[in-house]
Amino acid sequence: GAVVSQHPSWVICKSGTSVKIECRSLDFQATTMFWYRQFPKQSLMLMATSNEGSKATYEQGVEKDKFLINHASLTLSTLTVTSAHPEDSSFYICSAGQGANLPQAFFGQGTRLTVV
Amino acid sequence: GQQLNQSPQSMFIQEGEDVSMNCTSSSIFNTWLWYKQDPGEGPVLLIALYKAGELTSNGRLTAQFGITRKDSFLNISASIPSDVGIYFCAGRETGANNLFFGTGTRLTVIP
Repeated sequence: GAVVSQHPSWVICKSGTSVKIECRSLDFQATTMFWYRQFPKQSLMLMATSNEGSKATYEQGVEKDKFLINHASLTLSTLTVTSAHPEDSSFYICSAGQGANLPQAFFGQGTRLTVV
Repeated sequence: GQQLNQSPQSMFIQEGEDVSMNCTSSSIFNTWLWYKQDPGEGPVLLIALYKAGELTSNGRLTAQFGITRKDSFLNISASIPSDVGIYFCAGRETGANNLFFGTGTRLTVIP
């Protein structure tokens, strides 16, 4: 299957700082990527859909100014958690895919964010 | 967004036993996907289903797309310790790009 790479795998930051997470499609081009958040022992919750060359589409309840998404190329989307607080600590995962049938089937390794 | 009902929530089984889990939705899907997630990792796609009634295997795993298009199940035969993890179903509505995820089934295999 297609390979999606996420970086970093984990990050610890101080409250008030910003953190950038990268999501890359390694062997295919992805006009659309998806960002999820996962709390311990819970399922994945879609945060936003990242569209190459245009604004991201955010799910209800997700602050777009808090979670900045940039999809500047067909192989890279970034999620920046701005002015992070402890409640932003979570596991963030991106996904992407090829073709009409699997537009978001493949996931990155995830990023564990801890805000102290 | 919609969350799919997945059951059971957790299972403890002996190595060698078969496992069955299922997922139901309130709306019709045109795609069903099954994933396995290990701790601290992203989900890994196991099986993808695209047609009602479709039955697809991947090694010891078999999944079916329900004929009502509102459910799917996953079977694991002859479980082994490395099957331990959380299994998620996911579905996609016609014309949509985003996936809805099930609540997950946590599988523990006792050697």
